[in-house]
Amino acid sequence: AQKVTQAQTEISVVEKEDVTLDCVYETRDTTYYLFWYKQPPSGELVFLIRRNSFDEQNEISGRYSWNFQKSTSSFNFTITASQVVDSAVYFCALRESYNQGGKLIFGQGTELSVKP
Amino acid sequence: GAGVSQTPSNKVTEKGKYVELRCDPISGHTALYWYRQSLGQGPEFLIYFQGTGAADDSGLPNDRFFAVRPEGSVSTLKIQRTERGDSAVYLCASSEVSGYTGELFFGEGSRLTVL
Repeated sequence: AQKVTQAQTEISVVEKEDVTLDCVYETRDTTYYLFWYKQPPSGELVFLIRRNSFDEQNEISGRYSWNFQKSTSSFNFTITASQVVDSAVYFCALRESYNQGGKLIFGQGTELSVKP
Repeated sequence: GAGVSQTPSNKVTEKGKYVELRCDPISGHTALYWYRQSLGQGPEFLIYFQGTGAADDSGLPNDRFFAVRPEGSVSTLKIQRTERGDSAVYLCASSEVSGYTGELFFGEGSRLTVL
């Protein structure tokens, strides 16, 4: 069965600290995509990144980086030198290849609070 | 507009009433999705449209929920005989193409409160 688990419900850090958000997924499929979305207080989910199951290369985009490890079924997200504007709920999501509709299965989310 | 638009942004209704929620996707996007998000939870898939047809409605919780997209653009989610448990934020998303490569663009949601 497909499932996404974000074990950290809430994280609180002080500005400029690094923080890692964990994501563990379950799937029977060999081809799949993983996503991270940010949900600020306005409520609109904002796309951050998509990775496919054949590309385990880590990615860095500014202060954001992602560590994809198939061996542990994890797709963790690190924010370096966090800022107050990073405060939001972050969701990890999974899409399996057999699902032609492309629906995403979301984790429960991690609420990140960055304090000045 | 440039993004996915949802109306109303807030809806308060009484138990047993009928509710319609509207989604206007990004122009040209053929795929449209409805999700439901309860407090403190991740979005839960309800239904997906490819064009005018519902390609996957496996997430609709029961037959009180129904959605249409008659012209392949705007979609309406309809909830009959609302119950207090239906209270949630209903999110709409659209995608340029279906299939697993397309990213979803979400609206800000319609917050439904059933008293």
